[in-house]
Amino acid sequence: QDVLTQSPSASASLGASVKLTCTLSSGHTSYAIAWHQQHPEKGPRFLMKLNSDGSHIRGDGIPDRFSGSSSGAERYLTISSLQSEDEADYYCQTWVTGSRLFGGGTKLTVL
Amino acid sequence: EVQLLESGGDLVQPGGSLRLSCAASGFTFSSYAMSWVRQAPGTGLEWVSVISSSGGSTYNADSVKGRFTISRDNSKNTLYLQMNSLGAEDTAVYYCAKEVGPYGGNTNGYFDYWGQGTLVTVSS
Repeated sequence: QDVLTQSPSASASLGASVKLTCTLSSGHTSYAIAWHQQHPEKGPRFLMKLNSDGSHIRGDGIPDRFSGSSSGAERYLTISSLQSEDEADYYCQTWVTGSRLFGGGTKLTVL
Repeated sequence: EVQLLESGGDLVQPGGSLRLSCAASGFTFSSYAMSWVRQAPGTGLEWVSVISSSGGSTYNADSVKGRFTISRDNSKNTLYLQMNSLGAEDTAVYYCAKEVGPYGGNTNGYFDYWGQGTLVTVSS
């Protein structure tokens, strides 16, 4: 069973909001995660660390259009006022002793 | 400004070896754990190895255990990945990534900066 599960794709309209979901498996539901953004042919970019209580810390230069929240085993990334440059792959990531784990990623299309 | 610059990627034959480097700048390199993460063509991110700030602790993914060795030279602000017995499944872009803490263990094991990657192709 994968520790982190993400839907493969999502879409939303320019100017709208979208909520991406990362689900933690049983036994890991209290874990914090990190969200990363990756544009095609580019290295990933850290967006935020998201705790189980919904508190989050954004990376350097990340606008407050990007926010995080949590509910049980679910970790969410909400992007508001969608812009064309938000079209990218989004990965959630967590950690255990001796390993770092990624979700399969969600490809976000901005319509 | 934090910068991570990978190098050393190349075309290598199956069974061959390669050493990747990651030159770091803009932060106190010796204070942070560092990881290698790879991405095979058209797929997602896969963590490979982590090393603590001092170099005293290392961990590797099962897929590379016994074949890859992570190391660092804090005097040169450089991270390395020695890759041996390479197979087609190791073909990927390899990224170095800075962790937010020093330990590489189970405390805040996430990445706040990434490099742009270097391509390793294993093919005859």
